[in-house]
Amino acid sequence: AQSVTQLDSQVPVFEEAPVELRCNYSSSVSVYLFWYVQYPNQGLQLLLKYLSGSTLVESINGFEAEFNKSQTSFHLRKPSVHISDTAEYFCAVSDSSYKLIFGSGTRLLVRP
Amino acid sequence: GAVVSQHPSWVICKSGTSVKIECRSLDFQATTMFWYRQFPKQSLMLMATSNEGSKATYEQGVEKDKFLINHASLTLSTLTVTSAHPEDSSFYICSARDLGWWGQRTSYEQYFGPGTRLTVT
Repeated sequence: AQSVTQLDSQVPVFEEAPVELRCNYSSSVSVYLFWYVQYPNQGLQLLLKYLSGSTLVESINGFEAEFNKSQTSFHLRKPSVHISDTAEYFCAVSDSSYKLIFGSGTRLLVRP
Repeated sequence: GAVVSQHPSWVICKSGTSVKIECRSLDFQATTMFWYRQFPKQSLMLMATSNEGSKATYEQGVEKDKFLINHASLTLSTLTVTSAHPEDSSFYICSARDLGWWGQRTSYEQYFGPGTRLTVT
């Protein structure tokens, strides 16, 4: 069975500081990995995904994540955060069944 | 592109009544739609997988008779919460999987609706 662990329930950080949101997964088969962002009272928006190929994937708003198979990780990073990045971030894993298994989420709180 | 809508966005109903939530893929065909439930400050829990023209597949612990799912077309799936009770109050989110690879979209990606907040009094 697949599972996703997001160890940090909340990450406070000052504006313009770098941030890393951790995600570890367990799976016995090839996986596809995703990061979603959720703003209050809204649905989920895809931030970035790893399906195959380059292990470093980037989003259009400065986030990046690196797939590390040996460490079974897919940590999300941003070199300089903005107030508007405050949101809940979910890491998810999927396999060929197309089901998404979500982590518990990490609340990123950016302070001025 | 790849827009999924949900209706209503929020609903309040009395205990014992039924509520229907619609999930539509607006600009693509979705052979598969998923229904999730999210409690406050918690993650999304998959409730069921809905395939067009066939019965939904429910996750363990989800009551089939309470949460009725109908996927009548490639662009519409509905979730009906029957005989709702206060403990059914939650944020319900649907997602849709594209029919296939199309431009930048792949069949492994799910597109999420904005969610429906259900409050049962």
